[in-house]
Amino acid sequence: SAVISQKPSRDICQRGTSLTIQCQVDSQVTMMFWYRQQPGQSLTLIATANQGSEATYESGFVIDKFPISRPNLTFSTLTVSNMSPEDSSIYLCSANTRSDTEAFFGQGTRLTVV
Amino acid sequence: GQQLNQSPQSMFIQEGEDVSMNCTSSSIFNTWLWYKQDPGEGPVLLIALYKAGELTSNGRLTAQFGITRKDSFLNISASIPSDVGIYFCAGLPYNFNKFYFGSGTKLNVKP
Repeated sequence: SAVISQKPSRDICQRGTSLTIQCQVDSQVTMMFWYRQQPGQSLTLIATANQGSEATYESGFVIDKFPISRPNLTFSTLTVSNMSPEDSSIYLCSANTRSDTEAFFGQGTRLTVV
Repeated sequence: GQQLNQSPQSMFIQEGEDVSMNCTSSSIFNTWLWYKQDPGEGPVLLIALYKAGELTSNGRLTAQFGITRKDSFLNISASIPSDVGIYFCAGLPYNFNKFYFGSGTKLNVKP
């Protein structure tokens, strides 16, 4: 298994500002992902964080709004830029282990934009 | 794209009852995972399935990888109040490295 630490665990932000969420894995992993989860809803994949190169974004998500960094095999950041109340959600970091056959999650970052 | 249908959407049961939920997909998956999410937490992996027909248990939880490789189910026996939460299935298609998630089953257990 993998232990994934995310911070901050929650934040309340003003609209128009940006927030960077950090994700640290306790072991080297090949695949890291960022998800968004509206309260009571399922997980929506934002992007795959690629080590040493640009992230791969899913339809509906763009780099200017959600820039992602992944400088090494254990760490990634997601920035939510120019926030609006519609960005209020839970953001989750995930990593695959065991040859990409298991996925583990951080505890999530609950973001409220006012 | 891949679609996972998870049912039921929610369940209200009495403590001690057994629970069953399932996921079906429109295409073949190589791996099925089942997660539980408590309020304010990230999903926690409960059971992983890798072969068609595989039946795996984790305490009172039992999950099976369907023979057609397009479905999976999770059973919880003798439910207790701490089983309350949202359960998600996730599937990994062949030659992919990202998982697709079901919509979740919200379980409520009355003491």
